[in-house]
Amino acid sequence: DAGVTQSPTHLIKTRGQQVTLRCSPKSGHDTVSWYQQALGQGPQFIFQYYEEEERQRGNFPDRFSGHQFPNYSSELNVNALLLGDSALYLCASSLVQGHQETQYFGPGTRLLVL
Amino acid sequence: KNEVEQSPQNLTAQEGEFITINCSYSVGISALHWLQQHPGGGIVSLFMLSSGKKKHGRLIATINIQEKHSSLHITASHPRDSAVYICAVFQGAQKLVFGQGTRLTINP
Repeated sequence: DAGVTQSPTHLIKTRGQQVTLRCSPKSGHDTVSWYQQALGQGPQFIFQYYEEEERQRGNFPDRFSGHQFPNYSSELNVNALLLGDSALYLCASSLVQGHQETQYFGPGTRLLVL
Repeated sequence: KNEVEQSPQNLTAQEGEFITINCSYSVGISALHWLQQHPGGGIVSLFMLSSGKKKHGRLIATINIQEKHSSLHITASHPRDSAVYICAVFQGAQKLVFGQGTRLTINP
């Protein structure tokens, strides 16, 4: 049973470019959450997708957008990249059952913006 | 002030020592996660708890909802326990708010 997978593992972009990160949830999970973790900090919640819709959103600008596909996989898109967007981007999946469920984290995508 | 505060931020100990990491939060929550993050970024969920105490092997997690405080204990610590330990609280059904993490180093 594959856990949460993310691609790519590492990425280097320049300011102003756009990036797309991908996440495949753990088998049987229907909810995907995205987090940004700056160096030395705890992760920050970006948004969460369920049934192909954004359910919750953290304090991130509209440059951060996402999508969930019918197979529950998800993409995180970041437009007009800034140096400050350099971080580890984590995806976590869970199964919505109306209450808190353990979230399973992927290995992350490390993004460097030059 | 962060909604979730952990202490200490860094902890170095000798193999075999009893380790305690603390987490305090200022918001109403329904449950709390303890997570372990190894170098390279992979995060593993250790515990999710909403009351009392949970134990798994050498790890023990406690939570006091009234005092808005949780602790993670490691007994008989080992160098392989070296990692960053993160406390995260559930706000709403599934949104996690994370602490900054505690970097633990266990020396042989």
